[in-house]
Amino acid sequence: SQTIHQWPATLVQPVGSPLSLECTVEGTSNPNLYWYRQAAGRGLQLLFYSVGIGQISSEVPQNLSASRPQDRQFILSSKKLLLSDSGFYLCAWSRAGKKETQYFGPGTRLLVL
Amino acid sequence: GDSVTQMEGPVTLSEEAFLTINCTYTATGYPSLFWYVQYPGEGLQLLLKATKADDKGSNKGFEATYRKETTSFHLEKGSVQVSDSAVYFCALVYSGAGSYQLTFGKGTKLSVIP
Repeated sequence: SQTIHQWPATLVQPVGSPLSLECTVEGTSNPNLYWYRQAAGRGLQLLFYSVGIGQISSEVPQNLSASRPQDRQFILSSKKLLLSDSGFYLCAWSRAGKKETQYFGPGTRLLVL
Repeated sequence: GDSVTQMEGPVTLSEEAFLTINCTYTATGYPSLFWYVQYPGEGLQLLLKATKADDKGSNKGFEATYRKETTSFHLEKGSVQVSDSAVYFCALVYSGAGSYQLTFGKGTKLSVIP
């Protein structure tokens, strides 16, 4: 069966510090990978998706970047965090060639102070 | 652009009450529709889905029917339990080529009291 992991689970960072959130998927090959952000009262917003190693598409301009160094690893980064980056970050995957059903990880809660 | 509108929460019900959470969508084509559930402190779990008009998705006693004529996908459960307390998200995605984005509603928080 497939599983998806995210870490850390919770992170408190000062403004201006760097960020690295990691997501890994087990039990499937060449998945589509996604990063979403859930801000309070605003629902979920897709930040990035990837259909393969080194292939990243950005949905919205922002302070964040994503990378996919390995088939089942997806990393969300920032060089300098802003207060507005606070939120709940969710990684998700779907089967290669299929985007209809996305499976979500447990999430990382980020608080920028 | 595409959008999903859910009823405002929070919704508070007594155990064994009937649940309806309304969801309507605006889309130019024929998307697939989903309900996701988020339990406190956790990520989202797929609850049910429907990929074409008149399809009924069901899982764990929850049901939703894809109504193209009313562009709706209302979530229902006949008898809720305390363990159903969570935030419920309605979402859509297109099956064809193009955006991979799931478009979500803002979520409806459900609290079930004993």
